[in-house]
Amino acid sequence: DQQVKQNSPSLSVQEGRISILNCDYTNSMFDYFLWYKKYPAEGPTFLISISSIKDKNEDGRFTVFLNKSAKHLSLHIVPSQPGDSAVYFCAASGSVDYGQNFVFGPGTRLSVLP
Amino acid sequence: SQTIHQWPATLVQPVGSPLSLECTVEGTSNPNLYWYRQAAGRGLQLLFYSVGIGQISSEVPQNLSASRPQDRQFILSSKKLLLSDSGFYLCAWSARLAGGTDTQYFGPGTRLTVL
Repeated sequence: DQQVKQNSPSLSVQEGRISILNCDYTNSMFDYFLWYKKYPAEGPTFLISISSIKDKNEDGRFTVFLNKSAKHLSLHIVPSQPGDSAVYFCAASGSVDYGQNFVFGPGTRLSVLP
Repeated sequence: SQTIHQWPATLVQPVGSPLSLECTVEGTSNPNLYWYRQAAGRGLQLLFYSVGIGQISSEVPQNLSASRPQDRQFILSSKKLLLSDSGFYLCAWSARLAGGTDTQYFGPGTRLTVL
C-alpha cells in the first residue's frame, strides 16, 4: 500500500508558466515533507521541505503548500524553465514512527517546453 | 562540506554473479546511511538503513545485504544476482537542517544491469 502517492506520472508545461506537482499521503503520523528533483542517471537533489506546523514554504521559484486536513501537498514552480525538466519526488517522514527515514512517492516527470 | 561517493557508476553483471557496491561519505561523523533502489519507471524504494557501525536495518526481504564496516562506509552486496536486481542504486546520508528537521543527500547512483 503506497503511503505517499503522486498520481500524475508526467506533466508538460510551457516555459514561463506555472508547474504544479501534487502529492497525497495516507499516514497521519507524517509530519515532515520534502521535494526532490532527479535528472537521469543522477542522484536526487533536495529542493524544499515543509513541516506540518506550516502550510507554506517558499524558496525562490519554488513554493510548497501543505493541506494537512486533506493530506495533500503541492510544489509550485514559477516561472517554469527548461532546466526544471526532471523527475520530482515527494517524500514524507514521521518522527515518531520513522525516525529519520523517509517514504518516497513514485515521482512525476516534468517536461518544460520552450 | 560533505560529499558522498558511490562506485562504480555503471555495472553489467551476469545472473548468479556476486555484487558489491560501495558508498562513502566525507565531511561528517556518524551519519545515518541509506541504500535505495529505483527500478525502471518506479519510485525510490528504501532497501537498508544504518544508524551506526554494524547496525543495519532491512526494509524489504530481498536478495541483497548491507554492511557498515566503518563509520562513513556503507556496502551493498549480493551473493547471487537475479534479473530482478537490475535498477539504479542510490546511497544517501541524512543531515539535520536548521530548525531540527532532517533531509537526505544522495550520491550519484550506480546503474546495475543484470543479464
